[in-house]
Amino acid sequence: DTEVTQTPKHLVMGMTNKKSLKCEQHMGHRAMYWYKQKAKKPPELMFVYSYEKLSINESVPSRFSPECPNSSLLNLHLHALQPEDSALYLCASSHIQGVVNTEAFFGQGTRLTVV
Amino acid sequence: AQSVTQPDIHITVSEGASLELRCNYSYGATPYLFWYVQSPGQGLQLLLKYFSGDTLVQGIKGFEAEFKRSQSSFNLRKPSVHWSDAAEYFCAVAEGDSNYQLIWGAGTKLIIKP
Repeated sequence: DTEVTQTPKHLVMGMTNKKSLKCEQHMGHRAMYWYKQKAKKPPELMFVYSYEKLSINESVPSRFSPECPNSSLLNLHLHALQPEDSALYLCASSHIQGVVNTEAFFGQGTRLTVV
Repeated sequence: AQSVTQPDIHITVSEGASLELRCNYSYGATPYLFWYVQSPGQGLQLLLKYFSGDTLVQGIKGFEAEFKRSQSSFNLRKPSVHWSDAAEYFCAVAEGDSNYQLIWGAGTKLIIKP
C-alpha cells in the first residue's frame, strides 16, 4: 500500500464554520506533512510532524490547527477561515532515516473553498 | 539561499516527440533532487529522485533525469511523450541537513499537441 488517503476531496465552508481535513497512510512513515497549494503555484509547507510530534510550523495562522493522533493519521482543523485560504490542501508522508527524510508520498488533496 | 529554477513556465510538444524539462538549483552541498508530476486537480506523484550514485536516474512512466553537478542541473527527459503526460511538472531539492524542507521550482506546464 503506497497510498496517502485524504478526505474529503472537496469542501466548501463558511467563514464561521469549523471543519477538519483528514489524512491517513499505512506505509509506516513517521514523518507527515501538510502543504497548501494555490492555483498554478508549487506547494507551500505548513506543518511537519515527526514521530507524532509537531516539528515544524511555518508561521501558519492559528485558524489552522494540526493534530497527529497516531502514526497513521494526520488531521487539520479549520476554524474562522478567510476566502484567501481557499486552496488545495495536500498531505504527504515519508520515512525518516537518521537525519534524512526519504521522498514524500502525496495524497490527492482536499480542494477547499471558503465562502 | 537555496533555490530551484524551472526556466520554462510552459512547454508545448507534439505527441511522440522527445521532451526535456529544465531544472537548475542553487545549493552548496550535494542536494537531494526530485521531480514530481501533478495532473489537474490532483496530488503530486514522484517521478524520480537523485540522492547519490549514478547521475542518470530512471523513473516511472518512461522518464529519466540526469544530475550534472558542474551545471547545477537536473533536467527531466522522455524520448517519446504521450497525451497522458500533459500535466504540471515540479522540480524540488531537499536541504541535506534538514530534509523536511523541500525547495520547489515554480513548475513547468507540459502541453501535448495531437
